[in-house]
Amino acid sequence: DAKTTQPPSMDCAEGRAANLPCNHSTISGNEYVYWYRQIHSQGPQYIIHGLKNNETNEMASLIITEDRKSSTLILPHATLRDTAVYYCIVRDNFNKFYFGSGTKLNVKP
Amino acid sequence: NAGVTQTPKFQVLKTGQSMTLQCAQDMNHNSMYWYRQDPGMGLRLIYYSASEGTTDKGEVPNGYNVSRLNKREFSLRLESAAPSQTSVYFCASSEAVPGDFDTISSGNQPQHFGDGTRLSIL
Repeated sequence: DAKTTQPPSMDCAEGRAANLPCNHSTISGNEYVYWYRQIHSQGPQYIIHGLKNNETNEMASLIITEDRKSSTLILPHATLRDTAVYYCIVRDNFNKFYFGSGTKLNVKP
Repeated sequence: NAGVTQTPKFQVLKTGQSMTLQCAQDMNHNSMYWYRQDPGMGLRLIYYSASEGTTDKGEVPNGYNVSRLNKREFSLRLESAAPSQTSVYFCASSEAVPGDFDTISSGNQPQHFGDGTRLSIL
């Protein structure tokens, strides 16, 4: 099973870009990378996903390296409401997600 | 838009009692999932259902049973609750069908989660 590695915590100033890294060195060719966040123990909220091309939506951008062994989630203008635990997930062939411990992002005023 | 609805939101049980957690989705999704989340940890998969009438074990199935009642509903049952099952339980659903990842239209669709059931077992 592909697993991911994330830093346990990061700080970001309000209004600045937040760049959250993730390593997934054992990812296989057809496995997607997904990002979710969890605020105050609510249900995880889907952010974005991608295979090998960079992706952007209204919430964030996802940058995947050419070798696909790592990726970065970018929140372009972080707000206090973006304070949450962010999970980088690689799905296996049965659409099962394996959550690690995630990165606690602290957005500070 | 209701999405994924879980009931109840909170429950306290005594050791040995039984209980069923309910989950329903209104997105016409094929697959549904049950996870548990212990303090300070990520979610761990208990059981999943690729389609109506099928269920399979995840990482931590012991002590639980599930029923995919129809396409909308997927329930999780604790037959004899134990303190180690104190946790927050999340249900999720997805348009994707496990094993169907060559289908461009649905194979990579994300999972959508409910708000959880907080279960304490004394």
